[in-house]
Parts: sequence; structure tokens; C-alpha cells
Amino acid sequence: KAGVTQTPRYLIKTRGQQVTLSCSPISGHRSVSWYQQTPGQGLQFLFEYFSETQRNKGNFPGRFSGRQFSNSRSEMNVSTLELGDSALYLCASSLTDNYGYTFGSGTRLTVV
Amino acid sequence: EDQVTQSPEALRLQEGESSSLNCSYTVSGLRGLFWYRQDPGKGPEFLFTLYSAGEEKEKERLKATLTKKESFLHITAPKPEDSATYLCAVYSGGGADGLTFGKGTHLIIQP
Repeated sequence: KAGVTQTPRYLIKTRGQQVTLSCSPISGHRSVSWYQQTPGQGLQFLFEYFSETQRNKGNFPGRFSGRQFSNSRSEMNVSTLELGDSALYLCASSLTDNYGYTFGSGTRLTVV
Repeated sequence: EDQVTQSPEALRLQEGESSSLNCSYTVSGLRGLFWYRQDPGKGPEFLFTLYSAGEEKEKERLKATLTKKESFLHITAPKPEDSATYLCAVYSGGGADGLTFGKGTHLIIQP
């Protein structure tokens, strides 16, 4: 079966711009989570959606937002990009809360 | 606040030389401990979920164990293709922070 699909794979943006990343979860998975991965901080939780509702949110500024559609596909948006937002953004989907999360290959965002 | 500490940060082994990676955790109530493998430029690949102390799971050359304070990932007779970063994460639920990850152990297996 198809895995978690993230698009685009690579993105270069300028400071001050905004960006939208997309994630298609595994068919049947209703939980979608987003993580930011940087060399210094490792993987950090951004937010989680379940049935179109945001259930949990990590400690990130309001510039980071997301949503989930009725088909479980999810998008995350970062507004007013800063150099420090350069990172690998990973999406993960799961059947239930404590079941294994399956990650996508990520979107590599570079802010210049 | 959940915390996960992995050690060592990096480990270099000869092919066939068995070893263990450590994951120490502090959580308010463990609902699951996860092990992942991550190759450069890719997302983490799920390996195991452990739910309660005493539980063990195996997959090929890997075996994960869990106690009330830590988890071990034992690698038996590793091969060069086992080279990767191994990540440990915990989930405590409660509507807080999703998965809390450790910084990982970068494992290199030399032929």
C-alpha cells in the first residue's frame, strides 16, 4: 500500500514569504502529525490533526499553522518565513494514538 | 514534561560486532515507546512499539527491550546496511506534545 506522501520534496523561499506544505496520509489513517527536524533540535512536534480537528499543538509560534481536509490530507503553512525556519518538515500518519506512526520522506525547506 | 535521552550519540562498530543503544525516558504516563531508523535525507522508518515494562520485540538483527526507565535496542552481528541514525520516541498522550524524540544514535558499521 502507498506510504505517506509529502510534496514538494524541496523548497527554497525568501525571508518574509509564506509557504504551504502538503501531506497525504496512508489510506485509512485519520491522524496526521507534523514535525520539524533540525540538526540542533532534532525532531520537534508541531501539531496533530484528527478528523479535521487540531488535537495537539507543540511549542511553536502562531506563524506555523495547519489544517486537515475531509479526505485526511493535511497542509501546514508557515507565514513570514525566518532563516531559522530552514528545516526538514516531516508528516506522519497513524491509525490510533499509540500505534506506530509512519513518516513521509519530508519537505526540505531552505529560507534564504 | 516528557524527556528522552539517547546514548551514545555516535557509535562505530565492525561488521559482526554486537552492541546496544540506550534510550532513557521520563514521562508522566507511558502509552508507547517507539524505535525508528532514519537514513540520510529520508523520513524515520518505524521499527518497534513497546507498551509496558518487560516487553521485547525482535526484527532480523534488532531486538528492543523496555524497562520502567529505559529501553535498549540490541543489534546482533550488524551489517554495513544497518548503518543509520536510530531514534527513540515516547508518547504519553494527555493532549500534550505528540511524540517526544531523543536526539538519536548515529550508528556506523564498518565492513
